[in-house]
Amino acid sequence: DGGITQSPKYLFRKEGQNVTLSCEQNLNHDAMYWYRQDPGQGLRLIYYSQIVNDFQKGDIAEGYSVSREKKESFPLTVTSAQKNPTAFYLCASSIGRLSSYNEQFFGPGTRLTVL
Amino acid sequence: DAKTTQPTSMDCAEGRAANLPCNHSTISGNEYVYWYRQIHSQGPQYIIHGLKNNETNEMASLIITEDRKSSTLILPHATLRDTAVYYCIVRETMSTLNFGNEKLTFGTGTRLTIIP
Repeated sequence: DGGITQSPKYLFRKEGQNVTLSCEQNLNHDAMYWYRQDPGQGLRLIYYSQIVNDFQKGDIAEGYSVSREKKESFPLTVTSAQKNPTAFYLCASSIGRLSSYNEQFFGPGTRLTVL
Repeated sequence: DAKTTQPTSMDCAEGRAANLPCNHSTISGNEYVYWYRQIHSQGPQYIIHGLKNNETNEMASLIITEDRKSSTLILPHATLRDTAVYYCIVRETMSTLNFGNEKLTFGTGTRLTIIP
């Protein structure tokens, strides 16, 4: 089955610890994205990547880091510099080429709680 | 900032058509309107998108006004499983490196509740 997976679904960490969230896709998509969602709010873009070995900051990149060493994978690290890391994190991917049809496919999300 | 305005919440009776409005009065000529929905604690799901013509697929219909300043998403026969938050989004193209990657700015959406 083609799709986008995130693991784990729930994650707990102590304050001050870095944590890495996994995102994998087998859709052969060039573009991948990380969003953050807080309760009752919409999604906010953290980072995006258009191709392998390239990534760009989104609207709220401070305290986060990413890598894109493989087309299939776009892990997000939540560092201790992120002041309020508890949130629902969503990864997405899209074809990424100039097209009138460029739907973003979302993973199931990871709910991170920092204690 | 979000470029769309939607009602905070709506109810619809099961089996009836659900009509979700969206205002996007500042939309530019090459921007698309996308609709996604998010069922509680899941990732958003793509529904439909359009530029200026009305669109229909197996999930919904999208009606865009002639001046493109507003649109309506129609779920023709709402079921209980359609209860979700519906997001109307104007696609902004990030044209660096000549790749057509979109920044989807999600507002707070419309919480649609289907009533049995």
